[in-house]
Amino acid sequence: EVQLLESGGDLVQPGGSLRLSCAASGFTFGNYDMSWVRQAPGKGLEWVAGISIRGRSTYYADSVKGRFTISRDNSKNTLFLEVNRLRAEDTAVYYCAKSSAAMIVYHDYWGQGTLVTVSS
Amino acid sequence: DIVMTQSPDALAVSLGERATINCKSSQSVLYSSNNKNYLAWYQQKPGQPPKLLIYWASTRESGVPDRFSGSGSGTEFTLTISSLQAEDVAVYYCHQYYRIPLTFGPGTKVDIK
Repeated sequence: EVQLLESGGDLVQPGGSLRLSCAASGFTFGNYDMSWVRQAPGKGLEWVAGISIRGRSTYYADSVKGRFTISRDNSKNTLFLEVNRLRAEDTAVYYCAKSSAAMIVYHDYWGQGTLVTVSS
Repeated sequence: DIVMTQSPDALAVSLGERATINCKSSQSVLYSSNNKNYLAWYQQKPGQPPKLLIYWASTRESGVPDRFSGSGSGTEFTLTISSLQAEDVAVYYCHQYYRIPLTFGPGTKVDIK
């Protein structure tokens, strides 16, 4: 059974940083591209970042480019999102999502999400 | 960026009746080399992550009831629930994966009338 378990969300002040993690199990993690997608309270879905199977290629939404860094450790089946210079508008549930292939396409499995709250 | 729009914003349908959600993309998501539309539909219930229903515009994900169907091509797409059940109350999102950044529609809330 595919499982994605996010962690690392917290209440942080504007300008602060966090490192989100996503522990994957139930599939061969290194064979699939992965993404982070976020959802602000009461709002829709926003794709944030994606990463290729070996981590050599990374992709970002303009809203986070230069502030967020996606990475992965295939030896530990874990996906990461380093979030820096946080703003109030970054407040959201952050979902880890598995791509259905070794490319950035639709996501067939999602984690339960981890909440990041940016507030003073 | 490819902008996704959906209509209506919300709809209420009687149990057993048909629900239809429309989605438009600001540019075509049909890839001519493989004739595939890079369009998916997700269902999200309160407090839950999105669940994949449809990909390649019309392919139903394994385990999804056959009352859910997707159609359309190019820039216009439709998700149809042929006979609405109580468990279908949710927000539905269309999603293009033709071009990065990936983008989602704003969502359509489906309720029981």
